[in-house]
Amino acid sequence: ETGVTQTPRHLVMGMTNKKSLKCEQHLGHNAMYWYKQSAKKPLELMFVYNFKEQTENNSVPSRFSPECPNSSHLFLHLHTLQPEDSALYLCASSPNRGPQPQHFGDGTRLSIL
Amino acid sequence: GQNIDQPTEMTATEGAIVQINCTYQTSGFNGLFWYQQHAGEAPTFLSYNVLDGLEEKGRFSSFLSRSKGYSYLLLKELQMKDSASYLCAVRDTGGFKTIFGAGTRLFVKA
Repeated sequence: ETGVTQTPRHLVMGMTNKKSLKCEQHLGHNAMYWYKQSAKKPLELMFVYNFKEQTENNSVPSRFSPECPNSSHLFLHLHTLQPEDSALYLCASSPNRGPQPQHFGDGTRLSIL
Repeated sequence: GQNIDQPTEMTATEGAIVQINCTYQTSGFNGLFWYQQHAGEAPTFLSYNVLDGLEEKGRFSSFLSRSKGYSYLLLKELQMKDSASYLCAVRDTGGFKTIFGAGTRLFVKA
């Protein structure tokens, strides 16, 4: 399924770099999410956008900055990250806030040197 | 607090049936979801329950008891391709938050 596309698939960056992760969904959904997945830990919700408005910020450090220009696109801007931020970052979308499943992208594997 | 518990790993034999349990304690409830995640790939939706009882979907079934905070995923006629992690997740009431368990890694052996 290519409903949710994330780029890049892999990213290696130094602690002083600035980079951005991109997510695009072609499903006509209104809600988009960023999750962090670390080894052997549950998916951690980071941010939620509904109709381009941020509805959840799960106490995420300011070195992660989301942007949602429209309902189909979601970005995660990264700046001055720490080694513990190395993880798989997953984007997801859902139609709205109801009990509906989320559709996930394949993720960006991020490594901080 | 919010908590979802599921076994870390399970092993089963090809052709057999396996049951993966999930218990949850959450402040709200608006559905319980099961996702499958192969290594290096996106989680994909398998099944969900909003009301108590059994939902059947081909080789996969999911059961929910809201009063007990308990669900299970049943996989029948196991195939090698079923080797993956299975994530249990609870949707919070009224909002967009979904709380995930750490996942159960299932190994299917010949």
